[in-house]
Amino acid sequence: AQSVSQHNHHVILSEAASLELGCNYSYGGTVNLFWYVQYPGQHLQLLLKYFSGDPLVKGIKGFEAEFIKSKFSFNLRKPSVQWSDTAEYFCAVNTYNTDKLIFGTGTRLQVFP
Amino acid sequence: SQTIHQWPATLVQPVGSPLSLECTVEGTSNPNLYWYRQAAGRGLQLLFYSVGIGQISSEVPQNLSASRPQDRQFILSSKKLLLSDSGFYLCAWRTDRYTEAFFGQGTRLTVV
Repeated sequence: AQSVSQHNHHVILSEAASLELGCNYSYGGTVNLFWYVQYPGQHLQLLLKYFSGDPLVKGIKGFEAEFIKSKFSFNLRKPSVQWSDTAEYFCAVNTYNTDKLIFGTGTRLQVFP
Repeated sequence: SQTIHQWPATLVQPVGSPLSLECTVEGTSNPNLYWYRQAAGRGLQLLFYSVGIGQISSEVPQNLSASRPQDRQFILSSKKLLLSDSGFYLCAWRTDRYTEAFFGQGTRLTVV
């Protein structure tokens, strides 16, 4: 069955540090990939998405993600985090031939000034 | 513009009582609709999704059911609530599998 793994459950960083959050999925076919962010007290909102083409995807607020098909991964990165990036981050996948959208367990990021 | 409404925001129900959570979307037609349960450390668990009126896909066999009586209405129900049904329930919609999902404000359900 289709699944999504986020191995980093809680990440603590200082401002200006670099960020990489892992996301792995289990499905051998074509996938659509998403990263969402949930700021404290707010709705989930889309950071970026990948459907096809350039495997390096740029999103809002300086985030980017790289799709590595051979590793079934879609890791999220940001070169220099800010205190305002404190939030929970969710990776999501749907396989090309379904409308089912599966989320990972989320990674809580805390950034200290 | 499109909006999603989900109610109630909070709900406290006794064990064994029925449940009905409603979600409606405005400003779009034939959306894909989703029900998730969000729990700390467990992310968003997909419960049901629907690609059209009367079409429901169930992901997790449990004490809940879903219905889509109208194009933009998605209802989550239970005949008899269990303590384990407590949680934060989120409704979401999207145009199709290639677009982002938009979430409602959620319902905090406490079964006592």
